[in-house]
Amino acid sequence: NAGVMQNPRHLVRRRGQEARLRCSPMKGHSHVYWYRQLPEEGLKFMVYLQKENIIDESGMPKERFSAEFPKEGPSILRIQQVVRGDSAAYFCASSPGQGRQPQHFGDGTRLSIL
Amino acid sequence: DQQVKQNSPSLSVQEGRISILNCDYTNSMFDYFLWYKKYPAEGPTFLISISSIKDKNEDGRFTVFLNKSAKHLSLHIVPSQPGDSAVYFCAAKEGPGSQGNLIFGKGTKLSVKP
Repeated sequence: NAGVMQNPRHLVRRRGQEARLRCSPMKGHSHVYWYRQLPEEGLKFMVYLQKENIIDESGMPKERFSAEFPKEGPSILRIQQVVRGDSAAYFCASSPGQGRQPQHFGDGTRLSIL
Repeated sequence: DQQVKQNSPSLSVQEGRISILNCDYTNSMFDYFLWYKKYPAEGPTFLISISSIKDKNEDGRFTVFLNKSAKHLSLHIVPSQPGDSAVYFCAAKEGPGSQGNLIFGKGTKLSVKP
């Protein structure tokens, strides 16, 4: 999984706090995707971004969740007022384009809500 | 409604034998299919892909077969090695005009016994 960098690897928050997850895509990749994995489940798409643009956020809850991919710096997935149900592994992936190209994943951020 | 289904949660195979992992899909708009391998506490690693214009793609010990009429694909690993023990995810993507996100199955845990 070298290339897509996610931090932190583990994040513990209390209910009501904010969680910020960061993702730096592979060099040369301008497309970033966020996925969430619950225990014993597959990965579920949340949001797709290109630099400074949200392309598709159809998988992201409408409240408390937001994402950005600024011109400079990593992509950020932000969860406000976290609840126990937000506990999951959050994976970021990147690709050089939108076509028939594989997405490459980071090692994820494991979010635990106390 | 699951668009990508991996009906076997687990599979156990003897070292040196063939491992066959199966995946079914329901969406006829899918035109690109991927297999990922995932170890615990790591992100998914891309293994092999196939586009809908092909029925077979091979890369070393890994071969993916696509049967469009049956909406079925399979991953063959031969010979299987203990290091292949991991969770394998099938994923699919819609064709041009889609937003590019992947739809994942729930995974099959492969155990290769020495």
